[in-house]
Amino acid sequence: DIQMTQSPSSLSASVGDRVTITCRASQSISTFLNWYHQKPGKAPNLLIYAASTLQGGGPSRFSGGGSGTDFTLTISNLQPEDFATYYCQQTYTVPWTFGQGTQVEIK
Amino acid sequence: QVQLVQSGAEVKKPGASVKVSCKTSGYTFIGYYIHWVRQAPGQGLEWMAWINPKSGDTKYLQTFQGRVTVTRDTSINTVYMELSRLTSDDTALYYCARAIDRGDFDSWGQGTLVTVSS
Repeated sequence: DIQMTQSPSSLSASVGDRVTITCRASQSISTFLNWYHQKPGKAPNLLIYAASTLQGGGPSRFSGGGSGTDFTLTISNLQPEDFATYYCQQTYTVPWTFGQGTQVEIK
Repeated sequence: QVQLVQSGAEVKKPGASVKVSCKTSGYTFIGYYIHWVRQAPGQGLEWMAWINPKSGDTKYLQTFQGRVTVTRDTSINTVYMELSRLTSDDTALYYCARAIDRGDFDSWGQGTLVTVSS
């Protein structure tokens, strides 16, 4: 199975900050990489698919990049509703696997 | 709008089975795969299985092979996930999710908490 490793596991930031989360795959996955965010008590929400394509209706302050094994999710101008846990997911090969999550907290 | 509505919370004893339903609406049921993803308390996400509602074909995570069965009822646009031989490690929130492509989950159920306790 492909292992997905996110860093950091958690971070503290302030409203208006720019934050970057990284995700590394244990083997090349081309751009078959998704990002989700999840708020406490809620189901995950698809933010970005195919590494860099913003899911319809998603705020443009979210951007994704990378290919192969290394990927990033950047949130520019962090908003109060962005404080959540973020997960990367590979869809290159079954079983689909997720990173362990990055919790973005308010500083 | 697309909706996935899951059945309510369950409490089961070790060794028992649980069956969770996922009723879909707002789109063509046979047009999209439905997947099951679980999340243990305070933990991350684990993909479990998928079903092609059109054909009934399924795929399961090797870890669950032999213990999980996913079925569908096209007459009521509903997918079911049954997990048998439960242990305390199966205590988790179980989500159904619609895939727009491969494992791209654009809509999710609200989650069903399954608690396994003696």
